[in-house]
Amino acid sequence: DSGVTQTPKHLITATGQRVTLRCSPRSGDLSVYWYQQSLDQGLQFLIQYYNGEERAKGNILERFSAQQFPDLHSELNLSSLELGDSALYFCASRLGQGSTDTQYFGPGTRLTVL
Amino acid sequence: DQQVKQNSPSLSVQEGRISILNCDYTNSMFDYFLWYKKYPAEGPTFLISISSIKDKNEDGRFTVFLNKSAKHLSLHIVPSQPGDSAVYFCAAAISNTGKLIFGQGTTLQVKP
Repeated sequence: DSGVTQTPKHLITATGQRVTLRCSPRSGDLSVYWYQQSLDQGLQFLIQYYNGEERAKGNILERFSAQQFPDLHSELNLSSLELGDSALYFCASRLGQGSTDTQYFGPGTRLTVL
Repeated sequence: DQQVKQNSPSLSVQEGRISILNCDYTNSMFDYFLWYKKYPAEGPTFLISISSIKDKNEDGRFTVFLNKSAKHLSLHIVPSQPGDSAVYFCAAAISNTGKLIFGQGTTLQVKP
């Protein structure tokens, strides 16, 4: 158990809909990262937050957005969903933001868009 | 543009033998490298890391080697055990950014 929790574990929805994925980092960790793992793409970095502020962006679509709240939990919002958004979404946390602290991953949310 | 590549999608070895997983990268700015292991239905688990100032790091049965001139790193598992069967991801980072760039993963099967 990494100490990072993600809800829900599974999500099935239809094209055009909007969903919210939630992540609670390990106690004391200030940085939260979101990754997408599609079947043919491996793990792709989406976005990073540190203590409530966005710090880095990767290949995140404009239909996707995220935020980190004062209690440090984070939410990833996916809107106007397309079939190709079906993937595993992982959240990771770590203590700092730019050091070589290890990133600890949650169990992931499996999103299926029908 | 795949900056981190694991060219072998799968590897099968016998229990007790050595497993060698390989990873190549293209960005010379990467200065920190990690290996993660992933079981089905779980998130990736950190295994071992290496800074670009080193060429080897060892932790028990796991050793990571870094060849900066070739932009290549490898993970050696000796001896391999059936419980090591998993998907192994190589990742690289520029340490002042914290963003990890992952390879596609290599599925290791260790046969009893």
